[in-house]
Amino acid sequence: GAVVSQHPSWVICKSGTSVKIECRSLDFQATTMFWYRQFPKQSLMLMATSNEGSKATYEQGVEKDKFLINHASLTLSTLTVTSAHPEDSSFYICSASATGWNEQFFGPGTRLTVL
Amino acid sequence: QQPVQSPQAVILREGEDAVINCSSSKALYSVHWYRQKHGEAPVFLMILLKGGEQKGHEKISASFNEKKQQSSLYLTASQLSYSGTYFCGTERSNYQLIWGAGTKLIIKP
Repeated sequence: GAVVSQHPSWVICKSGTSVKIECRSLDFQATTMFWYRQFPKQSLMLMATSNEGSKATYEQGVEKDKFLINHASLTLSTLTVTSAHPEDSSFYICSASATGWNEQFFGPGTRLTVL
Repeated sequence: QQPVQSPQAVILREGEDAVINCSSSKALYSVHWYRQKHGEAPVFLMILLKGGEQKGHEKISASFNEKKQQSSLYLTASQLSYSGTYFCGTERSNYQLIWGAGTKLIIKP
């Protein structure tokens, strides 16, 4: 299967700081990338969908000014959590797909802890 | 709207079979099945497409009933490695998936 990486794997930061998470497709060109958030023992919640070269589409209730998404190339999308607060602590997972594919391939996830 | 999965959790002994169900109140065009182990990202298992096309995975198979708007995942002769939480995802649009709440599967030796 296709390989997707995320960086960093985990991050601990102070409240009020910003954190950037990278999602890369290593062996294919990802025309679409998805960002999810998962709280403990809960399902994946889609935050936003990003297509290369265009603005991300955010799900209802997700603040686009707080969760900045950039999909500048076919292999890289970034999620920046701005002015992070403890309630933003979660497991953030990206997935990627390509035109004509039905499957999404997931990155290993980034565990964010905001103190 | 989130698909409904059942059961919420199941405990099996190694070698036993399991069935996990996923149903939707909306018409289904495809159903995706993933398995997630604790602290890890979900791993693709299978996709079922409207019209009958199916992609499988070892001893895991699935059915897709378009009329009933439901899918079932069958785990045969379960192995310890099958433990995890199974999620079904239904396609909304633009390849977006809406995920069920998950079914936790525990396999005991």
